[in-house]
Amino acid sequence: SQTIHQWPATLVQPVGSPLSLECTVEGTSNPNLYWYRQAAGRGLQLLFYSVGIGQISSEVPQNLSASRPQDRQFILSSKKLLLSDSGFYLCAWKPPDRANQPQHFGDGTRLSIL
Amino acid sequence: AQSVTQPDIHITVSEGASLELRCNYSYGATPYLFWYVQSPGQGLQLLLKYFSGDTLVQGIKGFEAEFKRSQSSFNLRKPSVHWSDAAEYFCAVGAVNGNKLVFGAGTILRVKS
Repeated sequence: SQTIHQWPATLVQPVGSPLSLECTVEGTSNPNLYWYRQAAGRGLQLLFYSVGIGQISSEVPQNLSASRPQDRQFILSSKKLLLSDSGFYLCAWKPPDRANQPQHFGDGTRLSIL
Repeated sequence: AQSVTQPDIHITVSEGASLELRCNYSYGATPYLFWYVQSPGQGLQLLLKYFSGDTLVQGIKGFEAEFKRSQSSFNLRKPSVHWSDAAEYFCAVGAVNGNKLVFGAGTILRVKS
């Protein structure tokens, strides 16, 4: 069966520091991968998605970037964090080329910027 | 482009009472529809999905949803709510030829004993 892992679960970082959040999927090949942010009291905002290695689509201009160095690895990064980057970050995957399949979510990373 | 509206930000129901969470979507063709649940500090768990066929779909944890094309709705229901159902619920719509989902803003369900 397929599983998705995100780490760390919780992160506290100072303003201006770098960021690296990692997401990996097991048990599937060439998944679509997604990064979402969920700010307090707000819905899910799609940040990036990827349909293959090295391919990244950015949904909103921001201080963050994403990379997909391996088939089942998706990384969210920042060179300098802002206070507004605080939030709950969720990674998700779905089977490729199957629009009618749901996305499956990891347990999320709670990021607090001080 | 598709969009989703969940009109109720908060809903409070008594334990054992029935529940209906509303979801309205906008999309030019038959959409793919999903309901997810999120407990505090957790990821989203899929409750059920609709692609085609029978418009009443059954999901996990005793939930069901009904697709009504004429009303552009996909409301989530449960006949008897349990205290453990307290969570936030998200409706999402996907396009037939797309890779992305559009999520509603969510409805927070509170269950009172």
